[in-house]
Amino acid sequence: AQSVTQLGSHVSVSEGALVLLRCNYSSSVPPYLFWYVQYPNQGLQLLLKYTTGATLVKGINGFEAEFKKSETSFHLTKPSAHMSDAAEYFCAVSKGGEYGNKLVFGAGTILRVKS
Amino acid sequence: DAGVTQSPTHLIKTRGQQVTLRCSPKSGHDTVSWYQQALGQGPQFIFQYYEEEERQRGNFPDRFSGHQFPNYSSELNVNALLLGDSALYLCASSPPPGTLDSHNEQFFGPGTRLTVL
Repeated sequence: AQSVTQLGSHVSVSEGALVLLRCNYSSSVPPYLFWYVQYPNQGLQLLLKYTTGATLVKGINGFEAEFKKSETSFHLTKPSAHMSDAAEYFCAVSKGGEYGNKLVFGAGTILRVKS
Repeated sequence: DAGVTQSPTHLIKTRGQQVTLRCSPKSGHDTVSWYQQALGQGPQFIFQYYEEEERQRGNFPDRFSGHQFPNYSSELNVNALLLGDSALYLCASSPPPGTLDSHNEQFFGPGTRLTVL
């Protein structure tokens, strides 16, 4: 079975500082990996995804993530935090392809940005 | 182009009642998935519909059922509501299988907040 672990349910950074949100996964097949963001009282918005190819993927709003198979990790980073980045972030994994695209989510990390 | 829409936005029910939630997928999408997001948790997969049939199902009891219509819209039905069913219910749609790479991406609606008293 697939699973996702997000280290740190809450992360606090200062505006302009590096954002690092950690995600580790387990999967019996090569995974497809996603990061979603959720603002209060809203649905989920896709930030970025890894399916195949380049292991460093760039997403919206300046975020990027690197797929590291040897570490089974897919950490999310942003060089400089902005106040508008305050939200909850979810890492998710799916088997994809013939296995279907059911998503398995982590528990989420709430990002707080201090001015 | 409208994205995924869900109705209603909020709903209050009492224990034992039944509820129906509705979802219209993004234009061009034919697969609909439903997720339950309890407070403070990540979304949990309930089931997925494709070609009007349940394709995959998560670890949810039979009280949770669904339907997909010929226009690809979908309903989630929950019978005999329990307090623990209080959650945000998210609908997600995705393109047809075989669409290069994009079938693996799901687009989410804003959700329906269900409160069971």
